[in-house]
Amino acid sequence: AQSVTQLGSHVSVSEGALVLLRCNYSSSVPPYLFWYVQYPNQGLQLLLKYTSAATLVKGINGFEAEFKKSETSFHLTKPSAHMSDAAEYFCAVSEKGGGNKLTFGTGTQLKVEL
Amino acid sequence: KAGVTQTPRYLIKTRGQQVTLSCSPISGHRSVSWYQQTPGQGLQFLFEYFSETQRNKGNFPGRFSGRQFSNSRSEMNVSTLELGDSALYLCASSLTEESGNTIYFGEGSWLTVV
Repeated sequence: AQSVTQLGSHVSVSEGALVLLRCNYSSSVPPYLFWYVQYPNQGLQLLLKYTSAATLVKGINGFEAEFKKSETSFHLTKPSAHMSDAAEYFCAVSEKGGGNKLTFGTGTQLKVEL
Repeated sequence: KAGVTQTPRYLIKTRGQQVTLSCSPISGHRSVSWYQQTPGQGLQFLFEYFSETQRNKGNFPGRFSGRQFSNSRSEMNVSTLELGDSALYLCASSLTEESGNTIYFGEGSWLTVV
């Protein structure tokens, strides 16, 4: 079964600093990969997804992620953090041919400090 | 275009009762999935429906069931509620049943079982 590991349940950065949220997947075949953000008391908003078209994926709000097959990673980055980025971030994977079933990581709570 | 709509947003039920949650997907979307989110277990896949047929099912007891109507709207039902069923239930929709689709989430239904 596919799984996703998000290293660091809590990450704290200063406003203006680089944001790096880590995600590793386990799959023998490169899957589809997604990053979602969840603000308090809200649903999930898609930031970006990887579907093998390009290894560097740009998403909304200045976020991007790079798919590295050799490292089975799909880390999320943003060059300069903003206070409004404080939220919980989830990495998810879906298996090719597996429909729309998403397997989620445990999430990373991002805190942005002044 | 309207997003994924879930009703009700909040509800409180008593142990042993049953509950029905409703989801209207984005117009034109034919695949609907359901997820349970709890602090302890995180985001877990419940089931996926496409063209009124269940395509995928997660590892939940038979008390959890769902269905999809001809207009793609979906409902999920939980019978004989237990305290542990208290959770945020998220509905997601996508255009087709194929993996790799962009998957959009609703705001969720908060269920509290007392």
